Amino acid sequence: EVQLVQSGAEVKKPGESLKISCKASGYIFTSNWIGWVRQTPGKGLEWVGIIYPADSDTRYSPSFQGQATISADKSTSTAYLQWSGLKASDTAMYYCARVGFLEWLLYLDYWGQGTLVTVSS
Amino acid sequence: SSKVTQDPAVSVALGQTVRITCQGDSLRTYYASWYQQKPGQAPVLVIYGKNNRPSGIPDRFSGSNSGNTASLTITGTQAEDEADYYCNTRDSSGNHWEFGGGTKLTVL
Repeated sequence: EVQLVQSGAEVKKPGESLKISCKASGYIFTSNWIGWVRQTPGKGLEWVGIIYPADSDTRYSPSFQGQATISADKSTSTAYLQWSGLKASDTAMYYCARVGFLEWLLYLDYWGQGTLVTVSS
Repeated sequence: SSKVTQDPAVSVALGQTVRITCQGDSLRTYYASWYQQKPGQAPVLVIYGKNNRPSGIPDRFSGSNSGNTASLTITGTQAEDEADYYCNTRDSSGNHWEFGGGTKLTVL
């Protein structure tokens, strides 16, 4: 059974660093891209970016380029999303999801439970 | 703001058919995937590509494309289908992906 289990909720102050995780199981971690998606309170879904764990090839949504860093550790089948200087506007629920491709189509077939990040002074 | 647009809200009577649409120029070239999200839960993939359903998704969910519009149709809508629905597709550059703004489906 494919599972993506994310780390727990975080409360941070502006300017602090943070790294959240997404541990995959039930499939070959290096065979699929992993995506990160943001959802701000009461709002819709936004792409953060995707990573291919086999070689760490990473693509960021233009809105998130330079705002956060996506990484992956093949040895632990875990993907990460990290910030070096959080802002209040980073407050959101963050989901990881396994990526599938069908010709030119990308889809997200398994999702983590989400990690709520709250940034407040 | 999204370049892929969805109606913010749609309502349907129990047991009737509803179509939720997603519009954008990139949909003339690329298919969409559709996600259902209930309050307090992670999104769930319900349709991807021309009309592919993941295992476990009821066959009352179907997808289609015409021109610049992708559609998710629910035939014989059930109370448990009340949720937010999001489409996702490549953007017009083809290099990135974007979600529609979401449609809140109310089952009357």
